[in-house]
Amino acid sequence: KNQVEQSPQSLIILEGKNCTLQCNYTVSPFSNLRWYKQDTGRGPVSLTIMTFSENTKSNGRYTATLDADTKQSSLHITASQLSDSASYICVVSAGVTGGGNKLTFGTGTQLKVEL
Amino acid sequence: NAGVTQTPKFRVLKTGQSMTLLCAQDMNHEYMYWYRQDPGMGLRLIHYSVGEGTTAKGEVPDGYNVSRLKKQNFLLGLESAAPSQTSVYFCASSYTGTVDEQYFGPGTRLTVT
Repeated sequence: KNQVEQSPQSLIILEGKNCTLQCNYTVSPFSNLRWYKQDTGRGPVSLTIMTFSENTKSNGRYTATLDADTKQSSLHITASQLSDSASYICVVSAGVTGGGNKLTFGTGTQLKVEL
Repeated sequence: NAGVTQTPKFRVLKTGQSMTLLCAQDMNHEYMYWYRQDPGMGLRLIHYSVGEGTTAKGEVPDGYNVSRLKKQNFLLGLESAAPSQTSVYFCASSYTGTVDEQYFGPGTRLTVT
């Protein structure tokens, strides 16, 4: 069964500090891995999408890494801001017979940035 | 360019009532999806569509029906609502079903009493 596990479940950091969120997955056959940011009461918004051949990808202060051998990914947030307070969801995509992908969503890491 | 919109934003139903959630996208995407999000669980796929006139079951399709009569619209129906269907429902769309980003709507919070 495809699974995506994220840690920590929640995190509180001070504004300006860095943090790293973790994602472990057991998804086969692997197609790509995505990180989404979901603000409270809003829909998820894509931060990065990485395929098998990519091991790092940045989007502003967000940097995602992927180790396909150990089936781990991390999302590093640099110089955090209050607006980074949100749930960060790791999503792993598996190829399916006949084309297309099946997404497996993690439960998210709830990040709170405080003054 | 509004992206993905959903109506209504909130709804309260009594057990046994029916309703339809509407999703619209203006990005000319082929693929559209309906998900539900419950506390402590990742988003789960209810139904999806790979193009106008097509629909397919996802991970948790029971109790729901869908239709895609127009490319830009994807409707989710609950024929006889149950308390277990209390959830936040998200619609999403993408150009293809592979590595393309999925764009999500703002969600519909549904409570069934």
